[in-house]
Amino acid sequence: DTAVSQTPKYLVTQMGNDKSIKCEQNLGHDTMYWYKQDSKKFLKIMFSYNNKELIINETVPNRFSPKSPDKAHLNLHINSLELGDSAVYFCASSQVFSNEQFFGPGTRLTVL
Amino acid sequence: AQTVTQSQPEMSVQEAETVTLSCTYDTSESNYYLFWYKQPPSRQMILVIRQEAYKQQNATENRFSVNFQKAAKSFSLKISDSQLGDTAMYFCAFILIQGAQKLVFGQGTRLTINP
Repeated sequence: DTAVSQTPKYLVTQMGNDKSIKCEQNLGHDTMYWYKQDSKKFLKIMFSYNNKELIINETVPNRFSPKSPDKAHLNLHINSLELGDSAVYFCASSQVFSNEQFFGPGTRLTVL
Repeated sequence: AQTVTQSQPEMSVQEAETVTLSCTYDTSESNYYLFWYKQPPSRQMILVIRQEAYKQQNATENRFSVNFQKAAKSFSLKISDSQLGDTAMYFCAFILIQGAQKLVFGQGTRLTINP
């Protein structure tokens, strides 16, 4: 029944490690997004994919690489994790040119 | 670039009272949508209400209503008969109809409903 799911929900790791967060949506949407919510609760877009094609890439370090194997999945891989990467990462999806985005439950990443 | 500003970092009211959360935004575009999202402690982002900029009528959803003033670029949220379950972070957000489909969020207002 879950519309937008993310795994894992919590991720604790050491600085310098590489980690991935997975996102899947079963809504049949064309467009998927990654947002980052920092420690002050501020939410900002990172990436957006439409039908597996990257359409939004905000000023995000190259250590972050999104990958969309198909239009129902958008994964986020992070290399060489830094303390400042600690945040909650939200995946979202929408129909192309639809105004409403549906959010996943978020993944809390803690880098020690 | 579009920006959204929420000037009230925190608010607190008694249960059953009415509370208004403020939001202003800045854009040179004329076609856009505005939203209020609720984020309870569970951290799930929940859409509360949306407003199309081309509609003059203010949106309402049960106890939630907005005061949309397009010329002033203001979009406030009124919660009537507040309930304990309304305790959450509230985010005002903006999206253009044309162009990059990204939500631009305000800083959030932490609302506490006291019994």
